[in-house]
Amino acid sequence: QKEVEQNSGPLSVPEGAIASLNCTYSDRVSQSFFWYRQYSGKSPELIMSIYSNGDKEDGRFTAQLNKASQYVSLLIRDSQPSDSATYLCAVNKGGANSKLTFGKGITLSVRP
Amino acid sequence: NAGVTQTPKFRILKIGQSMTLQCAQDMNHNYMYWYRQDPGMGLKLIYYSVGAGITDKGEVPNGYNVSRSTTEDFPLRLELAAPSQTSVYFCASSQDRGLIYEQYFGPGTRLTVT
Repeated sequence: QKEVEQNSGPLSVPEGAIASLNCTYSDRVSQSFFWYRQYSGKSPELIMSIYSNGDKEDGRFTAQLNKASQYVSLLIRDSQPSDSATYLCAVNKGGANSKLTFGKGITLSVRP
Repeated sequence: NAGVTQTPKFRILKIGQSMTLQCAQDMNHNYMYWYRQDPGMGLKLIYYSVGAGITDKGEVPNGYNVSRSTTEDFPLRLELAAPSQTSVYFCASSQDRGLIYEQYFGPGTRLTVT
């Protein structure tokens, strides 16, 4: 099993819909979880981080973490064409280990 | 703050040539990282550093070297470039915020080896 796995894409949603992006991880000791957005030809940009079970909301973005089931998800409400990008899930094992393990990413396309 | 800066933006190398990719950050972050990203793939860690004078290998270190003489700079050296090193290279930095490490990325260097 891959350390960080993102469900197969690409994902296409109409403008105004909710986009749901999922990520599973294999190492139970993982502590911190991050979502990055990457526009084509650009560098990854941190958009959400979550450390505790439950939901964390920031504007139109909600990150959800379930450590028992080892998954983290990102919901984008009222999707806009400007949300069209690749979304990377990243996981940190915590402690003194500062490294992140990234999933391959899922490409989201928001249709006007 | 400029954040994380990288030079050059683009470079074409011939097989066997060497070059140094520059990375600098002005956020006083202790931790710095080098990744490569191939099309359709996630980010692979090449090397990382937890502070000046301390570096360690990541997942794909072969063919690369790093040094960290200051907190701000973390150059990546490619020796004897090979076509397999054609990729986009990202530098990132982070700080320990209670053992939480949010990484911030530079704009990247697109390298082609022919």
